[in-house]
Amino acid sequence: EPEVTQTPSHQVTQMGQEVILRCVPISNHLYFYWYRQILGQKVEFLVSFYNNEISEKSEIFDDQFSVERPDGSNFTLKIRSTKLEDSAMYFCATITGRGNYGYTFGSGTRLTVV
Amino acid sequence: QKEVEQNSGPLSVPEGAIASLNCTYSDRGSQSFFWYRQYSGKSPELIMFIYSNGDKEDGRFTAQLNKASQYVSLLIRDSQPSDSATYLCAVEGDSNYQLIWGAGTKLIIKP
Repeated sequence: EPEVTQTPSHQVTQMGQEVILRCVPISNHLYFYWYRQILGQKVEFLVSFYNNEISEKSEIFDDQFSVERPDGSNFTLKIRSTKLEDSAMYFCATITGRGNYGYTFGSGTRLTVV
Repeated sequence: QKEVEQNSGPLSVPEGAIASLNCTYSDRGSQSFFWYRQYSGKSPELIMFIYSNGDKEDGRFTAQLNKASQYVSLLIRDSQPSDSATYLCAVEGDSNYQLIWGAGTKLIIKP
């Protein structure tokens, strides 16, 4: 069964540092998403990406965040200057775009900002 | 602000019994509803989706949707210890298949 691959599985970074989280979506999927989940809290929408551009973003997705698909394969989330409150699980998710039959999630990246 | 509400639990159910999980949502216009299972430290895993009023069955799982009352439920028959997890209800948002999530109900199946 096709998978969404995320790397790294765990990243520890110092406050103020830049981090890049990587995702390899399923090849025939058209919509890509980043969600995050702070420990013990709800899954929160960050951004959706379609046709090589952001289609929607939440209030959380401020100027410190960016996404891109640099090589047609990887889908990345960059946090420019991490804050302690950015510590969370970050999930990449994709769907085909031909109807919503549920996301395929990656295994997640646990980001710890110290 | 669209909301999805779930009882956080924990809900404790004996092995072999039926587990019943409930979810309410605020937007009467919502059309698509999803149940995900999440084990601790893992990503959500899709169990079922439902679009139409009524019941939808898949193996031991049955999703029930009542749009008039704005609730969706998940029944798990013959509960197994491996069903112990947090169950997340999600409702499709305004656009681009974005989902709005409940906080999840922790289910514990006791052997």
